Amino acid sequence: QKEVEQDPGPLSVPEGAIVSLNCTYSNSAFQYFMWYRQYSRKGPELLMYTYSSGNKEDGRFTAQVDKSSKYISLFIRDSQPSDSATYLCAMRTSGSRLTFGEGTQLTVNP
Amino acid sequence: DTEVTQTPKHLVMGMTNKKSLKCEQHMGHRAMYWYKQKAKKPPELMFVYSYEKLSINESVPSRFSPECPNSSLLNLHLHALQPEDSALYLCASSQEERQPFYEQYFGPGTRLTVT
Repeated sequence: QKEVEQDPGPLSVPEGAIVSLNCTYSNSAFQYFMWYRQYSRKGPELLMYTYSSGNKEDGRFTAQVDKSSKYISLFIRDSQPSDSATYLCAMRTSGSRLTFGEGTQLTVNP
Repeated sequence: DTEVTQTPKHLVMGMTNKKSLKCEQHMGHRAMYWYKQKAKKPPELMFVYSYEKLSINESVPSRFSPECPNSSLLNLHLHALQPEDSALYLCASSQEERQPFYEQYFGPGTRLTVT
């Protein structure tokens, strides 16, 4: 069983939709949670990071962590075609080693 | 400024060639990382340097040789690669390796093709 599970999609939504991306994990030692966005043939871009259970909002993006359920989510409101990318969840314990999900490929159609 | 730069953007090399990938950051970060990413897969950690010393080597074959000449630069020397080594090679940096509340920032990557 993988430590981090993420549905690879692909996920296709119309412009303006609310997008929900999710990851589950099995290692209760994970303390730090990140979302990276990766455009095709580019490096991952750090989108959001959270360190505790609850919600963190940044513009159209909301990151949610539920440590009791070992579940994290990223919500994108009013999605735009420019949001089309692969979204990688990542998490770590107190060390530096990131454990990534497989990535969800998102397409937002105009 | 959260920029990590990598050169070259693309590299094609034969199995007998020797080449190097370069990574640079000017954010004052003291931890730098090399990752390998195959198509439609997440990045896989290869090496970690902390304060210019190698702290993690993820059992990477010796045909990959990292070097950290100073706190801003990270190199990856390549020799006698195999076609299966073709991938996107990503560099990342972070403030520290073993402190909370830092995160890793990635460069754009070098797309390597081994023929």
